[in-house]
Amino acid sequence: GAGVSQSPSNKVTEKGKDVELRCDPISGHTALYWYRQRLGQGLEFLIYFQGNSAPDKSGLPSDRFSAERTGESVSTLTIQRTQQEDSAVYLCASSRGDGEETQYFGPGTRLLVL
Amino acid sequence: AQSVTQLDSQVPVFEEAPVELRCNYSSSVSVYLFWYVQYPNQGLQLLLKYLSGSTLVKGINGFEAEFNKSQTSFHLRKPSVHISDTAEYFCAVRRMDSSYKLIFGSGTRLLVRP
Repeated sequence: GAGVSQSPSNKVTEKGKDVELRCDPISGHTALYWYRQRLGQGLEFLIYFQGNSAPDKSGLPSDRFSAERTGESVSTLTIQRTQQEDSAVYLCASSRGDGEETQYFGPGTRLLVL
Repeated sequence: AQSVTQLDSQVPVFEEAPVELRCNYSSSVSVYLFWYVQYPNQGLQLLLKYLSGSTLVKGINGFEAEFNKSQTSFHLRKPSVHISDTAEYFCAVRRMDSSYKLIFGSGTRLLVRP
C-alpha cells in the first residue's frame, strides 16, 4: 500500500474488556514496530517484528499485552482486561528492514478505556 | 541506555520568524538521529535524519538540523515559519548497532501565531 494503515482509528472500551488493534505495514517492509503515545508524552517502544525472527517483546508493559504478525504483513496488538492507564494512542510503524533506517508511521489508534 | 531530552514543551513564535527546537541526547554508543513531525490528528512524518557525513542535514518543508557530537545535540531550525508549521515535533535516536528501537523525546509543540 501507499502507507501504513491502522484500524480502528478510535476505540472506546470499558475497563476489563479485551481490544484488538490492527496494523497493515507498507508492502515489502519486513520490519514492523508498535509504539504507545500517552497524552503529552513521547512514544514508548512496545514490540518489534523482523521477518521470521522471534519478535522483541521487551517493551510490552505487562502480560496483558501481546502482538502477532502474519508473515511479513498484518499485525495485531491485543490488550486483555484493559485498564484506564492503557488509554493512549497506539502507533504502528514499518521499515524495509535491510539496514535502511527510516520508520514510517501509521495514523494510530486512539484507545480510551472508561 | 539512550535518552532524549527536549527541554521546551511548547514554543510560541510569530509567523515568518525563525525558530529553533532543541534536542539533546545521551548515549554510550553512536546513534542515528531523527526529527519527526506530528500534525493534529495525523501520524508521525519524518522531517529529516542524520546517519553519517555532513553534520548539517536538510529536511522537508525548509527545516534543517545540525548534529553536534561534542554537545550531544541535534537542534532543529527553520529561518521563517508558517502557520502550517504548527505541530508537535519529536526528536528520536536509534543505536547504530543491531538495535532498532527509536527512543523519543517528550516532544515540543510549535505554535505559530499570525
